[in-house]
Amino acid sequence: EAQVTQNPRYLITVTGKKLTVTCSQNMNHEYMSWYRQDPGLGLRQIYYSMNVEVTDKGDVPEGYKVSRKEKRNFPLILESPSPNQTSLYFCASSLAGSNQPQHFGDGTRLSIL
Amino acid sequence: GNSVTQMEGPVTLSEEAFLTINCTYTATGYPSLFWYVQYPGEGLQLLLKATKADDKGSNKGFEATYRKETTSFHLEKGSVQVSDSAVYFCALSNDYKLSFGAGTTVTVRA
Repeated sequence: EAQVTQNPRYLITVTGKKLTVTCSQNMNHEYMSWYRQDPGLGLRQIYYSMNVEVTDKGDVPEGYKVSRKEKRNFPLILESPSPNQTSLYFCASSLAGSNQPQHFGDGTRLSIL
Repeated sequence: GNSVTQMEGPVTLSEEAFLTINCTYTATGYPSLFWYVQYPGEGLQLLLKATKADDKGSNKGFEATYRKETTSFHLEKGSVQVSDSAVYFCALSNDYKLSFGAGTTVTVRA
């Protein structure tokens, strides 16, 4: 089954404790991206990657890191999480091209205390 | 930069009513436009898309037309069902950057 898999689905942690949210897709998609969803703000793009070893900032990259060492994986790293990063996070992937629709994971709910 | 503005909800309708959700955008160049739907506890799913001016996207009875002259991509459905209750997001894609509207919560009552 074609899917985007995120882990963990839920995480409660404390300020400053490094964490990684993994994202993997099995569709051989070139493009992958991370979003955060906050009430009243919709989804905002954090980082995106057009292919292996190619990443770029979205609209809200501060406090996040990403890497794309393999085509299927695109982890999101919070080196020193803070409470304002409490949010619902989505990973998505697509074929190359701005006209391609995104395939979304089921989301990761992060709470930073 | 790119931005999307969509009608704020929540919207509550009776079954078989007509649904319209307004969406306007700001972008340089020629973006692609999308409507996504999100059911509770799930990720977003593509509902329909249009990639150039005057294109009409359609799916599951929903339609939207890419209007470059009014920079709009309004979503419509002629007769909604209870199963259409969800959050709807308008989005644009331009040079690999994606921008989403704030989302519109739609509740359909039996």
